[in-house]
Amino acid sequence: DIQMTQSPSSLSASVGDRVTIACRASQGISDYLAWYQQKPGKVPKLLIYAASTLQSGVPSRFSGSGSGTDFTLTISSLQPEDVATYYCQKYNSAPATFGPGTKVDIK
Amino acid sequence: QVQLQESGPGLVKPSGTLSLTCAVSGGSISSSYWWSWVRQPPGKGLEWIGEIYHSGSTNYNPSLKSRVTISVDKSKNQFSLKLSSVTAADTAVYYCARIPYSWGQGTLVTVSS
Repeated sequence: DIQMTQSPSSLSASVGDRVTIACRASQGISDYLAWYQQKPGKVPKLLIYAASTLQSGVPSRFSGSGSGTDFTLTISSLQPEDVATYYCQKYNSAPATFGPGTKVDIK
Repeated sequence: QVQLQESGPGLVKPSGTLSLTCAVSGGSISSSYWWSWVRQPPGKGLEWIGEIYHSGSTNYNPSLKSRVTISVDKSKNQFSLKLSSVTAADTAVYYCARIPYSWGQGTLVTVSS
């Protein structure tokens, strides 16, 4: 089975900073990669699907890139409401494995 | 916009069977999508449990495969999860989802005597 890794596992950045989270698949998954934001006690919120397509209603400061095995989620200007844990997930085939998550907070 | 809603007991005894149902509204479960279950233990990450197609075809997480059964009821537009021989490690919020687009609100299931 394909394994998903994320880096870093956590980060602390200042408001307005550009933040980048990496996700790597152990084998190629084309662009079948989603990014979610999850705040404590809340349902994971879809931010990006198909590696780079912004879900409707998601602020444009979020963007995704990559294909194959290496993917990136970028927050262009970190806002206080972006404090959350971010997960990537492959969905090209079963099992639809999640990455371990990246916790983002404000410095 | 498809909506999903989980239901089922919030407390299951150790060695028992966890049973949850996901009601689908705003769309047909017979559409060309796979329907999934995902869980999240308290304070931990997300774990994909398995999925089902309206035909009844299923895929399961290899780590849970021996204990998991997912079924579909097209007449009721819903699908279900059964997880047998549960332990405290199965305590989690369980979500049903149409990956990656639509998720239910989640339901906490606690395994305890």
